[in-house]
Amino acid sequence: KNQVEQSPQSLIILEGKNCTLQCNYTVSPFSNLRWYKQDTGRGPVSLTIMTFSENTKSNGRYTATLDADTKQSSLHITASQLSDSASYICVVSDRGSTLGRLYFGRGTQLTVWP
Amino acid sequence: EADIYQTPRYLVIGTGKKITLECSQTMGHDKMYWYQQDPGMELHLIHYSYGVNSTEKGDLSSESTVSRIRTEHFPLTLESARPSHTSQYLCASSGVPIGGYTEAFFGQGTRLTVV
Repeated sequence: KNQVEQSPQSLIILEGKNCTLQCNYTVSPFSNLRWYKQDTGRGPVSLTIMTFSENTKSNGRYTATLDADTKQSSLHITASQLSDSASYICVVSDRGSTLGRLYFGRGTQLTVWP
Repeated sequence: EADIYQTPRYLVIGTGKKITLECSQTMGHDKMYWYQQDPGMELHLIHYSYGVNSTEKGDLSSESTVSRIRTEHFPLTLESARPSHTSQYLCASSGVPIGGYTEAFFGQGTRLTVV
């Protein structure tokens, strides 16, 4: 069964600190892995997309890593800001269908305190 | 910022009412999707479309229906709303693959409450 598991479920950090979110998946055949940021009551916004051949990608203070062998990914946030408070969703796409089905994790709810 | 729009953003209606959630995109994307998301839970695909006059049911069974008469428009309809339909509904679209993958853009969502 294709699944995406994220940890921790929720995380509270102080402004300026770094944090790392984890994602494990069993989706096969693998196409790509995405990290999205979803503010409360809003739609997800893409942060990074990585294909099989990429093992790291950065977008400003966000750095995602991918280990396709162990089927693990992480999202590292540097020097957190209050505006980073949101749900971070790991999404894995398969290449077994024309649709390129997206499999969503439940997200990690990050809260940044001043 | 993605050019995909959903209306209304929030909707509170009574049981038994018929409702249509609107979704429009101006990017010319062929593929469009409807997802349902409960608080703290993952997104579940309920409908998708490959193009005009093409609609398919997704992974999660839903009593809603969709239509795709125009490329840019993908409305979702509930003929008779029930409290169990209370959820957030997210519309998304994607275009041709670039760099080996297709980017998916999401609307802001419609928060539906059926009382």
